[in-house]
Amino acid sequence: KAGVTQTPRYLIKTRGQQVTLSCSPISGHRSVSWYQQTPGQGLQFLFEYFSETQRNKGNFPGRFSGRQFSNSRSEMNVSTLELGDSALYLCASSPGDGGLGQYFGPGTRLTVT
Amino acid sequence: QKEVEQNSGPLSVPEGAIASLNCTYSDRGSQSFFWYRQYSGKSPELIMSIYSNGDKEDGRFTAQLNKASQYVSLLIRDSQPSDSATYLCAVTQDQTGANNLFFGTGTRLTVIP
Repeated sequence: KAGVTQTPRYLIKTRGQQVTLSCSPISGHRSVSWYQQTPGQGLQFLFEYFSETQRNKGNFPGRFSGRQFSNSRSEMNVSTLELGDSALYLCASSPGDGGLGQYFGPGTRLTVT
Repeated sequence: QKEVEQNSGPLSVPEGAIASLNCTYSDRGSQSFFWYRQYSGKSPELIMSIYSNGDKEDGRFTAQLNKASQYVSLLIRDSQPSDSATYLCAVTQDQTGANNLFFGTGTRLTVIP
């Protein structure tokens, strides 16, 4: 099976702009989670979508949002970008149950200037 | 607040030795436990999962879980230079099946040829 894919791989944006990142899960996986990874904070959970519904949400401001489509593909959006949003954004897919583990995509490296 | 603690290292072992990586977690309700390997510049890769007390072996890797002590470990036997990476411990607590992993900050392992 093909792995998790994310686009774009690299992105440079200016403070105040908004950005949309895309994730295609492994075929048959219905759960998509998003994480932010930074050197200072490590890997932090943003939110999870399962069957087009947000099932869980981490402790991030409302500027971070997401959605999932009927084919399980997911997008996350960050509005009003801040310098501190510079990070590696990782998407992970899972068949569904939290006990089955998650498989990560290559990530999108976002730089905010 | 769910916390996952790992020794940040770096941990250096000679080739062929056993590398021992440790992790403690604060939420006694944690259900599932995972070890991920992350090479520099790459995304995390799932290498082990464990759900019940005891040992679980997969090739050169052995995961150990002790829920009473809230402790999970990973042993790598016959360590190889290709094992040099950051190892991330992750736990999930949600009993609904939701996928929201809480990660430790990782232990950097270096295997010396």
